Amino acid sequence: DAGVTQSPTHLIKTRGQQVTLRCSPKSGHDTVSWYQQALGQGPQFIFQYYEEEERQRGNFPDRFSGHQFPNYSSELNVNALLLGDSALYLCASSLNLVGEQYFGPGTSLTVT
Amino acid sequence: AQRVTQPEKLLSVFKGAPVELKCNYSYSGSPELFWYVQYSRQRLQLLLRHISRESIKGFTADLNKGETSFHLKKPFAQEEDSAMYYCALRGFSGGYNKLIFGAGTRLAVHP
Repeated sequence: DAGVTQSPTHLIKTRGQQVTLRCSPKSGHDTVSWYQQALGQGPQFIFQYYEEEERQRGNFPDRFSGHQFPNYSSELNVNALLLGDSALYLCASSLNLVGEQYFGPGTSLTVT
Repeated sequence: AQRVTQPEKLLSVFKGAPVELKCNYSYSGSPELFWYVQYSRQRLQLLLRHISRESIKGFTADLNKGETSFHLKKPFAQEEDSAMYYCALRGFSGGYNKLIFGAGTRLAVHP
């Protein structure tokens, strides 16, 4: 089991563009959470998906949206990118809403 | 407000010295506290949680509700303990499995 996988590894976008990040959960997991980690900071919760629905959301604007597919994989979409969106985006999966979260390696997004 | 504070960005010790990584939290209910670790070029991984009351790699952490602290301790640091350590809180009011992280402390263990 490769654990949680994320793609792409790195991404460079221009301000105003849109980006999609992808996450495949650990085998057997059904819940995916997304976090944003700015340089020098701890991860900050964006939202969580379970049964293809957004179950919780952190303090992020509507420009941040997501989706969960029937195979439990997930996408994070960010519209109208700002320079401040530059960060490492982490995906974590768990078995149901209260299971231990396992993190992926992250996607590094740079907005220029 | 829910908050986790790690006051030290960097903790530098020599091999064999005791280590204490500080973590204070703010939460109105009964949270669940965790320590996560990230070794160089590896992903974030769970080190220990307070409900387990176990020692992992020689590290222990006790939840002190009176002082709202969850400090991570190890009596004798090893070079392989050098990593980034994050304290995290999970609360159950209004949702599940939402982790709130501190800013992290980098532990550097010198030979």
